[in-house]
Amino acid sequence: DAKTTQPPSMDCAEGRAANLPCNHSTISGNEYVYWYRQIHSQGPQYIIHGLKNNETNEMASLIITEDRKSSTLILPHATLRDTAVYYCIVRSSGYSTLTFGKGTMLLVSP
Amino acid sequence: GAVVSQHPSRVICKSGTSVKIECRSLDFQATTMFWYRQFPKQSLMLMATSNEGSKATYEQGVEKDKFLINHASLTLSTLTVTSAHPEDSSFYICSARDTGGSEKLFFGSGTQLSVL
Repeated sequence: DAKTTQPPSMDCAEGRAANLPCNHSTISGNEYVYWYRQIHSQGPQYIIHGLKNNETNEMASLIITEDRKSSTLILPHATLRDTAVYYCIVRSSGYSTLTFGKGTMLLVSP
Repeated sequence: GAVVSQHPSRVICKSGTSVKIECRSLDFQATTMFWYRQFPKQSLMLMATSNEGSKATYEQGVEKDKFLINHASLTLSTLTVTSAHPEDSSFYICSARDTGGSEKLFFGSGTQLSVL
C-alpha cells in the first residue's frame, strides 16, 4: 500500500472548519483513500473513504485532487469531541488490512 | 454502522499469567479479523490476521506461540497473551471486515493490558 504524509499536529477553534491535509503521491489506480480517527484510549473510528470523486457524509467531507496525489479531510464545524488523532490511509480494494502511519493530532479548542 | 465488541476493556495481571481478549462482530459476519497493538504515543501496529477456520497469519517479529489466536466462528476471534510479561503491556485492538462485502474495517474499543 502507498505511504501517506500528514502534519503531526493541527489546531482548530471550536465551531470552525478543520481541514486536514494528506499527501499520497505514490498512490496507485486501485487504491482508495481512507480516513479514520482515534480518540484517546479508544479504537479507531471510520470517517470516510473515496477513490476519485469527492465524498461527503454526516461526519465529514473528503476532497481528492484530480491527480489523486493528495486529499483533504474537512470537518465543517469542529467540536471539542473532534479532538483526536486522524489517520489518512491508502488501501487497495479487496481484503487487505489497514496500515497506520503516525496521523495528525487535531486539537480543537474553545 | 457495524459494531465490533471487544472485551475486556482493561485488564491487570501478574507476570507469568495468561490473558484472553475477545473480539466479536455483533451484527455482521467476519471471515477475517485483524489484531493490532499500540504502545503509548505510537501508532497501531498489525500483529496478525485471523481467518475463520484456519491458522492465523502473524506479522514479522510477532511470536505465534506467545500470542495465540483462535477464530472459531464467523463472529468471534480471541487473542491469548500467554505467560505475559511487563513488556507485553500495551493497548490491543481488534478489527473486522464485513464478509458481506463492505470495504470498511470496523474496530473494537481496545483492551488496555497492564502486566505487573
